[in-house]
Amino acid sequence: LAKTTQPISMDSYEGQEVNITCSHNNIATNDYITWYQQFPSQGPRFIIQGYKTKVTNEVASLFIPADRKSSTLSLPRVSLSDTAVYYCLVGDGAEYGNKLVFGAGTILRVKS
Amino acid sequence: EPEVTQTPSHQVTQMGQEVILRCVPISNHLYFYWYRQILGQKVEFLVSFYNNEISEKSEIFDDQFSVERPDGSNFTLKIRSTKLEDSAMYFCASNQRKTGYEQYFGPGTRLTVT
Repeated sequence: LAKTTQPISMDSYEGQEVNITCSHNNIATNDYITWYQQFPSQGPRFIIQGYKTKVTNEVASLFIPADRKSSTLSLPRVSLSDTAVYYCLVGDGAEYGNKLVFGAGTILRVKS
Repeated sequence: EPEVTQTPSHQVTQMGQEVILRCVPISNHLYFYWYRQILGQKVEFLVSFYNNEISEKSEIFDDQFSVERPDGSNFTLKIRSTKLEDSAMYFCASNQRKTGYEQYFGPGTRLTVT
């Protein structure tokens, strides 16, 4: 399993773009990068997954440089409801089973 | 949109009692999981289940824990003799395929052991 490093917390204001970076220096060739979001007292929710370059969906964008040793989750124009914990997960479910291994995540606080 | 449901939302029990936490995974999903999260801590994997048997379990999932899929829709986690340290949020999750990291989580059951 590739070890990941994320900032413990970030603060932002409504309407701003938020970028959360995750370092994963030991990422393996078959590993994907996946981000989850968790609101207080709720289960984690899948946001986005990527392998390389850029992936975009209706919620977020994921930027992955060519060396894949880091990735950046970008949330456009955040609102108060985006206050949550964001987790970066790196791995390949086929290799060791598809359990999810969560770290501490990044606590994002959006202020008005 | 289909979703994973869990019951009860909150369960209070006394130490030593048995509890059963229930989950209804998304109907066409084949892989099922239980995770737990002690207050203020990380989400931890407990067990994965496929084709009516355990695929993988963590060190937390000792002999006090068991899982079952008693019918075509429910997936249960039983704790035989609860301990104070079992107090946590328990999340059920499911997905369709073995590979990939997109799992769908339920809202959780808050278990309080007194």
